Parts: sequence; C-alpha cells; structure tokens
Amino acid sequence: ELKVEQNPLFLSMQEGKNYTIYCNYSTTSDRLYWYRQDPGKSLESLFVLLSNGAVKQEGRLMASLDTKARLSTLHITAAVHDLSATYFCAVDKRYDNYQLIWGAGTKLIIKP
Amino acid sequence: GAGVSQSPRYKVAKRGQDVALRCDPISGHVSLFWYQQALGQGPEFLTYFQNEAQLDKSGLPSDRFFAERPEGSVSTLKIQRTQQEDSAVYLCASSTRSTGLETQYFGPGTRLLVL
Repeated sequence: ELKVEQNPLFLSMQEGKNYTIYCNYSTTSDRLYWYRQDPGKSLESLFVLLSNGAVKQEGRLMASLDTKARLSTLHITAAVHDLSATYFCAVDKRYDNYQLIWGAGTKLIIKP
Repeated sequence: GAGVSQSPRYKVAKRGQDVALRCDPISGHVSLFWYQQALGQGPEFLTYFQNEAQLDKSGLPSDRFFAERPEGSVSTLKIQRTQQEDSAVYLCASSTRSTGLETQYFGPGTRLLVL
C-alpha cells in the first residue's frame, strides 16, 4: 500500500529564515506533486516532479525529488509572511496514475 | 479562464438527510476527481471519471455515496442518509490528461456539516 508521510506537520518560523519540509513515500511512484492550501481555500498546484534528481524553483520555494530514497523536499529560502499556508505533497499510484495519495500536510506559520 | 467551481460552498444537513454536491470542472478537462478532506488531514480519493465513465469508485466509503457525470462535464456527488462521520470538505479536481502531466486543478470545496 502506498503511503505518504510529511514532516514536520507543524512549523513556526521567523521571517528571513530557511527551512525544509520532507515528504517520504513508501513505494515506487511516477510523479510527485506539491500543493499549497490557504485556510478555507482550494489547493493550488506548486510543482510537479517527474524524475529522479528533478529540481524546480519558484521564488523562495524549491522542490527536489530523489526517487531512489523515495524522498522529496520543499525548501523555503528567506521566508516571508505570505508563505504561511499548509503545504501538501502527493504521489501518483504507479500504473494507476490518476489517483493521488496525499501526505497529511505541513502547516507553516511565518512570523514577522 | 474559469477554474473549477463547486456548489454549495457550505452545507449543513441533519443526520439522515440526503445531500447533493455539484462540481463544474474546467472546460475541456477530460478527467474529474472527487476527494474527501477531513479537518487537519490531506485529501482522500473518492472516485474518478474519464469523460462520463466512472473508472474508479474504490474510495467511496459506503453505498450511501454515489457520483455521476452523465454528459462528461458537470459532476454530482450524492450522499444519502448522511451521518456525522460524513462531515468533511469535499473537493473536486479536474485535469486534461492531454500532456501526460497529471496536474489536478482543484475547486474551492464544499464544507459539509452533518448535525
């Protein structure tokens, strides 16, 4: 059974600091996704990582994928308050690739 | 263009009532998904449509849950005889399946509270 684990589940940090959110998954998967969710809002797609060693960056967020370790990271550089949200990773079920299996989410609070 | 829309945004039901939740996917999107998100959790898959065909309903928690997409566009998730454990946010997502990138675009969700 494919399982996805994120850590930490809750993170409070100061503006200007760097931090990393980790996403581990239990079996081989084709693709890994990062989404952002603001309170009471929908899920917004951030990154799709398709292959081993893939790295994508958008502003202060950078995501990477290591398929051998079954690990993805979401790195936040010089955090700003606007990045406060809950971040989810999700993976495809291989050979069943329309269904996403989700982590529990990391609630990120960035204090001024 | 318009994103995925869902209605109603909020629904309060008495236990035992039937409810119907609507999803309007992005125009032209072939695939449509329903997820259930409990408070503080990630979404959990309920069911999947490709056009009008329901290809996977393995995530539906009981036979009280029923989904349809009769014309391959708008979809309705129906819950019969609602129970308190059905309280959650119900998310709809759509994707193109035209490029091999399976990014799913989500609607705002319907927050269901069963009293």
